[in-house]
Amino acid sequence: KQEVTQIPAALSVPEGENLVLNCSFTDSAIYNLQWFRQDPGKGLTSLLLIQSSQREQTSGRLNASLDKSSGRSTLYIAASQPGDSATYLCAVNTGGFKTIFGAGTRLFVKA
Amino acid sequence: DTEVTQTPKHLVMGMTNKKSLKCEQHMGHRAMYWYKQKAKKPPELMFVYSYEKLSINESVPSRFSPECPNSSLLNLHLHALQPEDSALYLCASSQVAGASPVVLGRTDTQYFGPGTRLTVL
Repeated sequence: KQEVTQIPAALSVPEGENLVLNCSFTDSAIYNLQWFRQDPGKGLTSLLLIQSSQREQTSGRLNASLDKSSGRSTLYIAASQPGDSATYLCAVNTGGFKTIFGAGTRLFVKA
Repeated sequence: DTEVTQTPKHLVMGMTNKKSLKCEQHMGHRAMYWYKQKAKKPPELMFVYSYEKLSINESVPSRFSPECPNSSLLNLHLHALQPEDSALYLCASSQVAGASPVVLGRTDTQYFGPGTRLTVL
């Protein structure tokens, strides 16, 4: 059974710091991995999707990497800003229309 | 346009009421999802429709009844709910990808709506 774990559960950093969020999964047989952002009480916003054949994807200050063989993905946020404060979720698509979510990392960027 | 819309934004209902949640997308996506999310927890999959047919029911109680009237619309009918059903209900949609899309169930980027905050009294 696929399990997705995110570390740390919560993170507080000063503005301007570069940071890394971690996601690990137990079964490497994934189709893709997606990173989301969620603000309190809101829906999920898709940030990046990495196909299983890819190693990384970039969008602006965000860079996501995928190492399928070791069951790990990282989300790198450069030059963090207070507006980046949110919960970040990773999710793996294993096929069969199922997406398994991690519990998320709550990020707080202090001004 | 990558928007998924959900109505209503908020819903308060008694345990004897019948209500419906609605979700709409116009991106041509052929997979649509209902998720339930409790506070400080990740979304939990409830139902998946693929090409307007129910593909997944994650053992959801029958007091929740999904419906997919066409490729753009997804409804969730609610009846005789319990207070513990209070949660944020999220709808999502995605393209179905690859060869044998219905068989393999591989999907690309999921786009989520803003959710309906449901309170059951």
